[in-house]
Amino acid sequence: GAVVSQHPSWVICKSGTSVKIECRSLDFQATTMFWYRQFPKKSLMLMATSNEGSKATYEQGVEKDKFLINHASLTLSTLTVTSAHPEDSSFYICSASDFATSGTLYNEQFFGPGTRLTVL
Amino acid sequence: RKEVEQDPGPFNVPEGATVAFNCTYSNSASQSFFWYRQDCRKEPKLLMSVYSSGNEDGRFTAQLNRASQYISLLIRDSKLSDSATYLCVVNPMEYGNKLVFGAGTILRVKS
Repeated sequence: GAVVSQHPSWVICKSGTSVKIECRSLDFQATTMFWYRQFPKKSLMLMATSNEGSKATYEQGVEKDKFLINHASLTLSTLTVTSAHPEDSSFYICSASDFATSGTLYNEQFFGPGTRLTVL
Repeated sequence: RKEVEQDPGPFNVPEGATVAFNCTYSNSASQSFFWYRQDCRKEPKLLMSVYSSGNEDGRFTAQLNRASQYISLLIRDSKLSDSATYLCVVNPMEYGNKLVFGAGTILRVKS
């Protein structure tokens, strides 16, 4: 299957700092990437969908100015958590798909290994 | 009401047992259904897709009941390595390629 990497795998930072997480598709071109957040013992929650070269679409309740997403190339998307606070501590997972869907056919999402963020 | 609901478990079963998980979804327009497996502190991995006619992959059998908006996963001859959280996942087609995840059912297989 297709391989997606994330960097860093874990990060600990002080409150108020910004943290950037990278998501890369290693062996395919990802026209669409998704960013999820998972709190302990909870389900993955979609934060935003990003298509290469366009602005990300955020889910209801997700602050776009706090979670900056950039999808500048077909193999790289970044999520920046700005002015992180302890309540932002979570497991952030990206996924990538090689088809910018028009809503007609589901294409498999390939998940990265996740980034565990701890904000002190 | 949650879009995808699962019994959180845990299900504690001995090796060799048969165990079944159920899941219900609220969006009747949903078109694609999946079971994912997630190990502790890892990303989810696709276990199998779920088709209307039911499908089997080795020891795993998935069933879909559209009328009841119900999905199931049956694991036969449980192995220790089956211990994980099993996520019921739905793609509501009206939202394009998005996935909606259930909170997962924990399975613990013991020797």
